[in-house]
Amino acid sequence: DTEVTQTPKHLVMGMTNKKSLKCEQHMGHRAMYWYKQKAKKPPELMFVYSYEKLSINESVPSRFSPECPNSSLLNLHLHALQPEDSALYLCASSQGTGDITDTQYFGPGTRLTVL
Amino acid sequence: AQSVTQPDIHITVSEGASLELRCNYSYGATPYLFWYVQSPGQGLQLLLKYFSGDTLVQGIKGFEAEFKRSQSSFNLRKPSVHWSDAAEYFCAVGFVTGGGNKLTFGTGTQLKVEL
Repeated sequence: DTEVTQTPKHLVMGMTNKKSLKCEQHMGHRAMYWYKQKAKKPPELMFVYSYEKLSINESVPSRFSPECPNSSLLNLHLHALQPEDSALYLCASSQGTGDITDTQYFGPGTRLTVL
Repeated sequence: AQSVTQPDIHITVSEGASLELRCNYSYGATPYLFWYVQSPGQGLQLLLKYFSGDTLVQGIKGFEAEFKRSQSSFNLRKPSVHWSDAAEYFCAVGFVTGGGNKLTFGTGTQLKVEL
């Protein structure tokens, strides 16, 4: 089973709202990732968690705040977003071996619209 | 620095026809290469991957890809396309940094299938 689940599927929020995106996997993976994907563009890496610790932050604005409460769960907290933050947010996970063969498996994404 | 080029932004094929999607990479070390497919509004699904060994790699849904080091290419092929193959296809190169495992994606190729 290579399933990564994400909730909600769609989210509409105002610029003053606070919301969270959730990602879950039960494959025993120890690395989890957040990507942002604008329309007609490839995914762009935002954050990487390895063994529940933040290991990569690709200079993402602080209005995006990741959290990894346990090895199965990854959250992305959103606050004071801008309309240009509207995108598909993808979560991925991998075994976390640190080896290049560590394949990433993606969830279906959350479509975020910021008004 | 690593990079991936997908020269074809759009490709249209007739159902039942053969398909080849091109991917060229630039990477200083041994490349680790992936093909992902994304249906509209969905996440990325792994089609196949190449790490080492046999340069012809078989994937899911009848896809295969051939690694050619001399041409820095990793083209995706399918002998007979089905209408359900219409989607966006991303080639990616994987590499390890100090913080973890990263993917660099190409810009994608949009496949349209004519019935």
